[in-house]
Amino acid sequence: NAGVMQNPRHLVRRRGQEARLRCSPMKGHSHVYWYRQLPEEGLKFMVYLQKENIIDESGMPKERFSAEFPKEGPSILRIQQVVRGDSAAYFCASSPDNYGYTFGSGTRLTVV
Amino acid sequence: SQQGEEDPQALSIQEGENATMNCSYKTSINNLQWYRQNSGRGLVHLILIRSNEREKHSGRLRVTLDTSKKSSSLLITASRAADTASYFCATGRGGGATNKLIFGTGTLLAVQP
Repeated sequence: NAGVMQNPRHLVRRRGQEARLRCSPMKGHSHVYWYRQLPEEGLKFMVYLQKENIIDESGMPKERFSAEFPKEGPSILRIQQVVRGDSAAYFCASSPDNYGYTFGSGTRLTVV
Repeated sequence: SQQGEEDPQALSIQEGENATMNCSYKTSINNLQWYRQNSGRGLVHLILIRSNEREKHSGRLRVTLDTSKKSSSLLITASRAADTASYFCATGRGGGATNKLIFGTGTLLAVQP
């Protein structure tokens, strides 16, 4: 079991471009969470998904951000028309039971 | 607002000493977890303590939970240089509700060899 896989590890985008972050949960895990970490801060919850369903998106900005977890394939966090303030580390975590998390290594997004 | 707040914000100790970090939170919880994050890396889950537990051990780690004071502590005994990292507490509601974790701002621990 390779753990939670996130790619890419580093992503550079110019302002106005789209960023797509991928997360493959651990085998057998049907719960996926996305968190964002700004420099020198703790992680902030963004969205919680189960297969094909968004369960809780209370931490996600209403505009430009979207997330999906299709029946087949990885979970995707999409940020449209990126701005400098979107620069952060984005972490995905998966869980089999809504309790114990396993985090991925994160994607570090830099908007230039 | 942030659920968890750790103190101290930064802690510097000598190898072999014990390190204690504290975490306070505001609302009722189902569980509290501690994570370690090395600089520029992902989070590593250290230990989970449920709201009906008061103390838990794992190797050199000891976690306590006082739900009446809404606080937890993480003790690392006989610290090593490799323990240098940021440590975060995170609280969860668990169960049928979204167990989204609310993270504190972390304690930066530096263990001097």
